[in-house]
Amino acid sequence: EPEVTQTPSHQVTQMGQEVILRCVPISNHLYFYWYRQILGQKVEFLVSFYNNEISEKSEIFDDQFSVERPDGSNFTLKIRSTKLEDSAMYFCASTYTGEWGYGYTFGSGTRLTVV
Amino acid sequence: AQTVTQSQPEMSVQEAETVTLSCTYDTSENNYYLFWYKQPPSRQMILVIRQEAYKQQNATENRFSVNFQKAAKSFSLKISDSQLGDTAMYFCAFMIPNFGNEKLTFGTGTRLTIIP
Repeated sequence: EPEVTQTPSHQVTQMGQEVILRCVPISNHLYFYWYRQILGQKVEFLVSFYNNEISEKSEIFDDQFSVERPDGSNFTLKIRSTKLEDSAMYFCASTYTGEWGYGYTFGSGTRLTVV
Repeated sequence: AQTVTQSQPEMSVQEAETVTLSCTYDTSENNYYLFWYKQPPSRQMILVIRQEAYKQQNATENRFSVNFQKAAKSFSLKISDSQLGDTAMYFCAFMIPNFGNEKLTFGTGTRLTIIP
């Protein structure tokens, strides 16, 4: 079964550093998402992305965050100048036209620890 | 804005018994989808079951079934013949279909422990 692949699985970074989280969506999927889950809390929507543009972003997704699909394969989330409160699991997801949620595939997540 | 509420932070049940997890939601929309996701200790998000709001029939997937009460905005998950592998966090989620922006709104989760 096709998978959404996220790398790295765990990243530790110093506060103030930039990090890039990578995702490879399923090849025929067109819509991409990033979600965040602070430890012990609910999963929260960050941003949706389609046709090389942001479709919607949450209030969490401020100027510190950016997304891009640099090579038609990878889908990245960049966090500039990380803060302690950015420590969380970050999930990438992808889906495809016409399928509501059943084709909504999550990656296994990247655990980001800011120290 | 849509909200999803899971009022049971933790539950436990003996292996082979049946357990029901509660979820309520609030929306003014008429067309939407509801989901239950399982998050085991590995923290991967695994789709358990989904329900389309326009369908009156409750969804079932093997040992998993839902009780969807649209008027009451309630969407509970029943796990029959529970197994040790069912131990996980369970999240209820809501989505309004919209090409290109199908974001999920999650509840706070219920931690389910199956006791041997």
